[in-house]
Amino acid sequence: GNSVTQMEGPVTLSEEAFLTINCTYTATGYPSLFWYVQYPGEGLQLLLKATKADDKGSNKGFEATYRKETTSFHLEKGSVQVSDSAVYFCALSDNQGGKLIFGQGTELSVKP
Amino acid sequence: GAVVSQHPSWVICKSGTSVKIECRSLDFQATTMFWYRQFPKQSLMLMATSNEGSKATYEQGVEKDKFLINHASLTLSTLTVTSAHPEDSSFYICSARVPVTGWDQPQHFGDGTRLSIL
Repeated sequence: GNSVTQMEGPVTLSEEAFLTINCTYTATGYPSLFWYVQYPGEGLQLLLKATKADDKGSNKGFEATYRKETTSFHLEKGSVQVSDSAVYFCALSDNQGGKLIFGQGTELSVKP
Repeated sequence: GAVVSQHPSWVICKSGTSVKIECRSLDFQATTMFWYRQFPKQSLMLMATSNEGSKATYEQGVEKDKFLINHASLTLSTLTVTSAHPEDSSFYICSARVPVTGWDQPQHFGDGTRLSIL
């Protein structure tokens, strides 16, 4: 079945450091891929998405490229801020009723 | 646009009571809404898909009689946790999709409801 695997957290970085959160997926067909962010005590917010191979999603300095050959959708940011501290979820839409399948989440902590 | 409101944000109640959680799409009509459960420091687990005007579709292992879902209008879905017990304590999150769009369109999430059963 379809699945999403993320690198384990927590990830702790200093402000202005480079961020990579790895995400790989297993799916039949051509899923759409998403990154969501969850701040403490809140629901999820869409961060970015990509709908086909080689698409690059970007938002707020974050970006991720849909790599079909490596079945990956790694999240990157060149310079993180303290306000980026949150849990990040990689997800795919299985094109069957719009269900989202989530990775386990990666907690990011950015220190001043 | 595409705002989803969830209410209440936090509820504490005694064991054995039933609790209703509301999920509203504020600026769009949602024919499909989703209910998730999240344990501390874990991912979201899809509980059920709520379809307006029809029965909800539950994921394997989710008790239909325990978690009652009603989607009576295009802007409101409710989740009722019946005869709640401490093991039902969790963070419940709903989401909705803007209808008549492809599966590549994102879901929009509510802010979640923290349920604590004493």
